[in-house]
Amino acid sequence: NAGVTQTPKFRVLKTGQSMTLLCAQDMNHEYMYWYRQDPGMGLRLIHYSVGEGTTAKGEVPDGYNVSRLKKQNFLLGLESAAPSQTSVYFCASRARGTNTEAFFGQGTRLTVV
Amino acid sequence: EDQVTQSPEALRLQEGESSSLNCSYTVSGLRGLFWYRQDPGKGPEFLFTLYSAGEEKEKERLKATLTKKESFLHITAPKPEDSATYLCAVQARGSGNTGKLIFGQGTTLQVKP
Repeated sequence: NAGVTQTPKFRVLKTGQSMTLLCAQDMNHEYMYWYRQDPGMGLRLIHYSVGEGTTAKGEVPDGYNVSRLKKQNFLLGLESAAPSQTSVYFCASRARGTNTEAFFGQGTRLTVV
Repeated sequence: EDQVTQSPEALRLQEGESSSLNCSYTVSGLRGLFWYRQDPGKGPEFLFTLYSAGEEKEKERLKATLTKKESFLHITAPKPEDSATYLCAVQARGSGNTGKLIFGQGTTLQVKP
């Protein structure tokens, strides 16, 4: 029962470098989300997907891109990392339907220097 | 604008000292309110979903209640293992079929033995 798995768990990037965060879920959920968590700011939605092949912008999408080529995977890309993107990133998934609970991954701690 | 505010930001209790955490929300129609627990270095873990005013749910020492404007998470006779950050989130009717959640900033609870 893996649930939601994020890769990697930790990463340090230099300003301007690019990287991709991978989220994989094994619960056959339709909905997937990428959040960032910063001290005092709570969880803020970056991008989300309501199904394979579809993505949409959330609250703070600038500087990020996403793709959902397979139902079980949701990728978050940083094309040119900036220090402001230093954060903890969480992926979550939910089953379709009203008020289904969201399951979260363990997080990726990203530092941009 | 849909908004969720949690208070207090931090709470220190002695073991056995009961208290309540508050989650106030302003949304264009509530579809559901969620409580999550987050331990340091981990992703949020689902606790409860509340759907309508007057509803209550319990789990061990935790009890969640809901009114038309706020939710309370009551902690009865807490133990040190209840120490964590508690997150509140709402799903608004305006979220359509996206399943998007709006999170509060969280309340960090510390229970001392």
